[in-house]
Amino acid sequence: AQSVTQLGSHVSVSEGALVLLRCNYSSSVPPYLFWYVQYPNQGLQLLLKYTSAATLVKGINGFEAEFKKSETSFHLTKPSAHMSDAAEYFCAVSEGIQGAQKLVFGQGTRLTINP
Amino acid sequence: NAGVMQNPRHLVRRRGQEARLRCSPMKGHSHVYWYRQLPEEGLKFMVYLQKENIIDESGMPKERFSAEFPKEGPSILRIQQVVRGDSAAYFCASSTGFNQPQHFGDGTRLSIL
Repeated sequence: AQSVTQLGSHVSVSEGALVLLRCNYSSSVPPYLFWYVQYPNQGLQLLLKYTSAATLVKGINGFEAEFKKSETSFHLTKPSAHMSDAAEYFCAVSEGIQGAQKLVFGQGTRLTINP
Repeated sequence: NAGVMQNPRHLVRRRGQEARLRCSPMKGHSHVYWYRQLPEEGLKFMVYLQKENIIDESGMPKERFSAEFPKEGPSILRIQQVVRGDSAAYFCASSTGFNQPQHFGDGTRLSIL
């Protein structure tokens, strides 16, 4: 079974600083990888997805992630944090045979932005 | 364009009662997924359905939980004889097909008294 590990349950950065949220996955097949963001009392919003095309994936709100097969990583970055980025972030890998798919999520990383 | 609609947003039940959670997928989406989020945890897959078919229910508890996605109407997640441990946020997602992004609703927060 595939799994996802997010290093750091809480990350705190200053406004304007680099955001780096770490995600490592395990998969026996080429993975489909996703980053989602969750604001309080809301559902998950897709930030970006990797589907075996370009290894550097650009998403919404200035976020991007780089797929590194050798490191089995898919870390999320943003050059300059904004107060509105404060939320919980989830990395996920899709799992399942053709026609039967589910997402396996990491534990989440809560991002705090300091003024 | 309406997103994934879940209702109710909040549901309170006493132990032993039944809980019914509804999910209407995005227009044009025929794949529905249910996930559960326990406090301070990530989301855990429960069940994957297409119209009138359960495709993967490997994450569903063996007893008391059931799901359906009828030909007409929303998908329903049903929990019978609820217990305190069922308190969680239940999220529905929908997609257009295999390995397509799943779009999530705002969830139903179930509280058991």
